[in-house]
Amino acid sequence: QSALTQPASVSGSPGQSITISCTGTSSDVGSYHLVSWYQQHPGKAPKLIIYEVTKRPSGVSDRFSGSKSGNTASLTISGLQAEDEADYYCYSFARTTTLFGGFGGGTKLAVL
Amino acid sequence: QVQLVQPGAEVKKPGASVKVSCETSGYTFASYYMHWVRQAPGQGLEWLGIINPGGGTTRYAQKFQGRVTMTRDTSTSTVYMELSSLRSEDTAVYYCARGGFYDTDAFDIWGQGTMVTVSS
Repeated sequence: QSALTQPASVSGSPGQSITISCTGTSSDVGSYHLVSWYQQHPGKAPKLIIYEVTKRPSGVSDRFSGSKSGNTASLTISGLQAEDEADYYCYSFARTTTLFGGFGGGTKLAVL
Repeated sequence: QVQLVQPGAEVKKPGASVKVSCETSGYTFASYYMHWVRQAPGQGLEWLGIINPGGGTTRYAQKFQGRVTMTRDTSTSTVYMELSSLRSEDTAVYYCARGGFYDTDAFDIWGQGTMVTVSS
């Protein structure tokens, strides 16, 4: 069972925008500005695309953006392109006695 | 450039242990935390634990406490993840992923992964 909840799948057409949610609790997403997002293409290692909720690493397209409200973080991809079709995972830090951090279950994005 | 190099695959029998290496280069080894993450076939990502390569301190996911050990060799800039009492459910790709100066930093560089197969 994943620490964070994501929709199993989302879809969109080229050029459209989509948003993937990542719901945690007041012990993780709600307490820390430390949500990151990873993109994973089939057979490849994950790639960091958003860190600290809203920041993009160098080289990541500005079509990717992140936000957070309460216990839910979100990843928005604008101007969808075929190459965006991949799995997306959120991760949040959570310093408790039983938890350090955890991933969401992942969301498969289909570009139709 | 920054690189994390892992072996391609390991095959182990149930009950055995596996020790996966992650050889680093291109940065100051002791200055960046290292995480281990696994992914079972067709499943999502699962965080196993973190090691501070500078001091060797570790923190493991509760699920793996007692079965996982993370170590490092500063002379070769290599970190290791050993998982014991293997069962079929441990069949997965195991990734090392570099964190940052702080243990809360995101995972910016990933190894290519090591496929561990547990089968009799």
